[in-house]
Amino acid sequence: EPEVTQTPSHQVTQMGQEVILRCVPISNHLYFYWYRQILGQKVEFLVSFYNNEISEKSEIFDDQFSVERPDGSNFTLKIRSTKLEDSAMYFCASNTGTGGRETQYFGPGTRLLVL
Amino acid sequence: KQEVTQIPAALSVPEGENLVLNCSFTDSAIYNLQWFRQDPGKGLTSLLLIQSSQREQTSGRLNASLDKSSGRSTLYIAASQPGDSATYLCAVIGGKLIFGQGTELSVKP
Repeated sequence: EPEVTQTPSHQVTQMGQEVILRCVPISNHLYFYWYRQILGQKVEFLVSFYNNEISEKSEIFDDQFSVERPDGSNFTLKIRSTKLEDSAMYFCASNTGTGGRETQYFGPGTRLLVL
Repeated sequence: KQEVTQIPAALSVPEGENLVLNCSFTDSAIYNLQWFRQDPGKGLTSLLLIQSSQREQTSGRLNASLDKSSGRSTLYIAASQPGDSATYLCAVIGGKLIFGQGTELSVKP
């Protein structure tokens, strides 16, 4: 069964460093998402991406964040200058269908720790 | 602004018991509602998706209901097993997913 994959599974970085989190969505999916979950808190929406552009972003997704689909398979989240509060589990998701209303399939997540 | 709340925050039951997890949302203008399972330190596994036009959706021992007008959904788990122990999350779909904080379920053998 197709699944969303994410790399790396864990990443430790120093405050101020740039990180790139990678995702491979399910191949026939059209909508892509990033969410994050700070330890002990709710899963929060960051950004959605469709037709090679951002379709919606949350107030969390400020200028330090960017997303890209560099080729036909990968979907990346870049954090330019990490802060301590960026430490969280980051989930990529994808789905297909009208308006992105169908089931969203999540990857296993990347646990980011900023020191 | 859409808010999603789940009650209870934690639940402990003996094996074999039937149980109900509750999810409420403030804005009934949703597309669909999705229930997930999350094991500790792991990703999100989709359990059920209920479309806004549906009242109910079933998968095995799981049954999810949706009442848009009252802003409520329930997840019913029949004959609970220790392997059901996990955190259960509901999320409303209005394009993006907006999650509740989850119910942590523990099923004791």
